[in-house]
Amino acid sequence: AQSVTQPDIHITVSEGASLELRCNYSYGATPYLFWYVQSPGQGLQLLLKYFSGDTLVQGIKGFEAEFKRSQSSFNLRKPSVHWSDAAEYFCAVGSRSNDYKLSFGAGTTVTVRA
Amino acid sequence: SQTIHQWPATLVQPVGSPLSLECTVEGTSNPNLYWYRQAAGRGLQLLFYSVGIGQISSEVPQNLSASRPQDRQFILSSKKLLLSDSGFYLCAWSAPGLAGAGSQYFGPGTRLTVL
Repeated sequence: AQSVTQPDIHITVSEGASLELRCNYSYGATPYLFWYVQSPGQGLQLLLKYFSGDTLVQGIKGFEAEFKRSQSSFNLRKPSVHWSDAAEYFCAVGSRSNDYKLSFGAGTTVTVRA
Repeated sequence: SQTIHQWPATLVQPVGSPLSLECTVEGTSNPNLYWYRQAAGRGLQLLFYSVGIGQISSEVPQNLSASRPQDRQFILSSKKLLLSDSGFYLCAWSAPGLAGAGSQYFGPGTRLTVL
């Protein structure tokens, strides 16, 4: 079965500082990996995805993520955080063998301080 | 471009009352459709998904049901709501098969409070 762990429930970062959100997945074959962002009371927006190929993927809003098979990780990064990046972030894993259904992590809440 | 709509945005219902939440998608054909529930401080739980009209798969046993009467319409229902049905309900769509490969796009959600 596929599953996702986001070890950090809450992260506080200063505006302009770098941000890294951790994601570890469990799946036997090559997974499809995603990061979503959710602002309070809103739906989820897809930030980026990894299917195959280059292990460093670029997304919207200046985010990037790196797939590391040896560590079963797909960490999300942003070099310089803006106040508007305050939100909840979800990592998700899917697979062809599971009909592309996604399993989501519990989420990491990011607070940005001035 | 594709758009996904959900309504109502907010709903307060008494225990034992019925429920109907609607989701529609525009700008695509034969999408995969999904209903999720998000409890406070928790991740998303997949409730139902559908790969076509009348084809519904239930992921967890519960007090809810889903229907897909048209290609781009997905409805979440209950005959009698329970307190535990409170939560934030999200509808999502993806392109079918490998073309979508799990990239799901979410609606704005419905906040349901059962009193």
